[in-house]
Amino acid sequence: NAGVTQTPKFQVLKTGQSMTLQCAQDMNHNSMYWYQQDPGMGLRLIYYSASEGTTDKGEVPNGYNVSRLNKREFSLRLESAAPSQTSVYFCASRAMGGPVGDTQYFGPGTRLTVL
Amino acid sequence: DQQVKQNSPSLSVQEGRISILNCDYTNSMFDYFLWYKKYPAEGPTFLISISSIKDKNEDGRFTVFLNKSAKHLSLHIVPSQPGDSAVYFCAASGLTGTASKLTFGTGTRLQVTL
Repeated sequence: NAGVTQTPKFQVLKTGQSMTLQCAQDMNHNSMYWYQQDPGMGLRLIYYSASEGTTDKGEVPNGYNVSRLNKREFSLRLESAAPSQTSVYFCASRAMGGPVGDTQYFGPGTRLTVL
Repeated sequence: DQQVKQNSPSLSVQEGRISILNCDYTNSMFDYFLWYKKYPAEGPTFLISISSIKDKNEDGRFTVFLNKSAKHLSLHIVPSQPGDSAVYFCAASGLTGTASKLTFGTGTRLQVTL
């Protein structure tokens, strides 16, 4: 049981290049999320998918697209990378219910540098 | 407009003492609160949570207190251990449709010294 996995762990891009960040979870969770974390900042929601087949914008969606490929996989695409997108990207999935309520579980992150 | 605030960027506590991390929120629609712990180069890991119908939740050395009237929550770690040194994020959730979106604070870096 690997939980939430993300690939790649590190990536360096030049301005204008495109790339796709991959995320997969093996916990049979319905909802998945992409967050961005900049130094000194909290995690900000980019996009989320409440269930397979649906996606919605979060707080900072500009410059990104997502695809919920199936229940396990949720990818984040940068079509034309900009230096402002240099950040750490975290994927999460949500377990519903439980003793206190819903909880999101995070992957290890992808560290992206755009030159 | 920051809806979840952690006003202390850092905190240093001696091993064995109590660590108290604070969090304030502004949105009265939040009904579920979580604390995450993050080590460098790793993803956040869930620590403890509390529903708005409660004012306290305890799990081992970790206790979260919620004061709804003050829109304030705190995380108490007793006793603090060197392995607790990490960044702690407070997060809040208000159900939106079928997906609970989390709003995070900016984090407090806890250092537990020997």
